[in-house]
Amino acid sequence: AQKVTQAQTEISVVEKEDVTLDCVYETRDTTYYLFWYKQPPSGELVFLIRRNSFDEQNEISGRYSWNFQKSTSSFNFTITASQVVDSAVYFCALSEARSGNQFYFGTGTSLTVIP
Amino acid sequence: NAGVTQTPKFQVLKTGQSMTLQCAQDMNHEYMSWYRQDPGMGLRLIHYSVGAGITDQGEVPNGYNVSRSTTEDFPLRLLSAAPSQTSVYFCASSWDFNTGELFFGEGSRLTVL
Repeated sequence: AQKVTQAQTEISVVEKEDVTLDCVYETRDTTYYLFWYKQPPSGELVFLIRRNSFDEQNEISGRYSWNFQKSTSSFNFTITASQVVDSAVYFCALSEARSGNQFYFGTGTSLTVIP
Repeated sequence: NAGVTQTPKFQVLKTGQSMTLQCAQDMNHEYMSWYRQDPGMGLRLIHYSVGAGITDQGEVPNGYNVSRSTTEDFPLRLLSAAPSQTSVYFCASSWDFNTGELFFGEGSRLTVL
């Protein structure tokens, strides 16, 4: 079974629109960590955020915000006022304290921001 | 300020050939790992290491070997390349096994004909 599900394969938005990327995870651990990574067209993978399972506070960083809800096992990512530079593939990932040593990645959501 | 360095960036092999993808990091990270990225499948873990002399298999280890003789280096070996190994490979390192974010290399695009 997929531990991290990103149901949205591709999303297109017009510049300045808000967009939310969904991430649903599955774990039996009580201690785990969630991540988002960005892969722009140039191909490198860039870390965006880490959240541990004991911290459900939402986080905002500029135009980016993350909504962590344990009740629904979701860790969604919202970009406000999207820009062309936000066009990328975004990956959600999970690591579990008990299993350790392995990061489980979702299949990614390809976001295209149209000017 | 190199971070994680992978070489080569591009490689074309014929079926049955062998090669090594090199990975080096200069951040003194104990944890290193190799992923492959295929369309629609995200990133899948091939092998990982939690320190020099220690390696273990990930989700898709078949056809690949690794070794970790130093903290800095973690090469990935393909002993007999197959077309199914055509992929983009990423090396990553982290300061902690599962709480630290992964720092990725730029990727190596491998084509096996």
